[in-house]
Amino acid sequence: EAGVVQSPRYKIIEKKQPVAFWCNPISGHNTLYWYRQNLGQGPELLIRYENEEAVDDSQLPKDRFSAERLKGVDSTLKIQPAELGDSAVYLCASSPGGQGGYEQYFGPGTRLTVT
Amino acid sequence: AQSVTQLGSHVSVSEGALVLLRCNYSSSVPPYLFWYVQYPNQGLQLLLKYTTGATLVKGINGFEAEFKKSETSFHLTKPSAHMSDAAEYFCAVSEVDGSNYQLIWGAGTKLIIKP
Repeated sequence: EAGVVQSPRYKIIEKKQPVAFWCNPISGHNTLYWYRQNLGQGPELLIRYENEEAVDDSQLPKDRFSAERLKGVDSTLKIQPAELGDSAVYLCASSPGGQGGYEQYFGPGTRLTVT
Repeated sequence: AQSVTQLGSHVSVSEGALVLLRCNYSSSVPPYLFWYVQYPNQGLQLLLKYTTGATLVKGINGFEAEFKKSETSFHLTKPSAHMSDAAEYFCAVSEVDGSNYQLIWGAGTKLIIKP
């Protein structure tokens, strides 16, 4: 079974430029998460989708970040314009869905460097 | 709100020695508990989880953890460390708030194995 796929793995951009990250979750997983992970810290949730609906985007900086999950499968996270402080690893995860003890399966992440 | 504390940002042990990584959470309601491992430049991989039932949980790579409700702890152990265990380890606790479900993450503990 294929795992969570993310691309690109690495991205270097100048500040004020736009950037987009793509995620393909595990087949059949209804719940999709985007996290940001700064060096030496745990993941920070940005947004959670149940199918195509964003059910928790309270921690997404909406002035510059946007996300979509068309048809409830793949998802794209966009930053426009990027700032120096956005340098981090962006992780996508998926789970079978529902509340409680469902573990999350993570992709390898996209390491973003903003110069 | 739930919080997760991992004692020690870095833990160093000799190869063959006992590994003990500490995790405490704040909830008074028994949550679901997880340990994840992250190797350099990779996403997070589930080591083990506790949902209900037996409080001693066995995971992959010889790791196990014990849920102690009275101590609100979920410490991770391995009897004999291998060089390949060098990685960062994250404890996470599920939190259900109405219709929202999310994982609350610890800050991580970097495990260093000395030859």
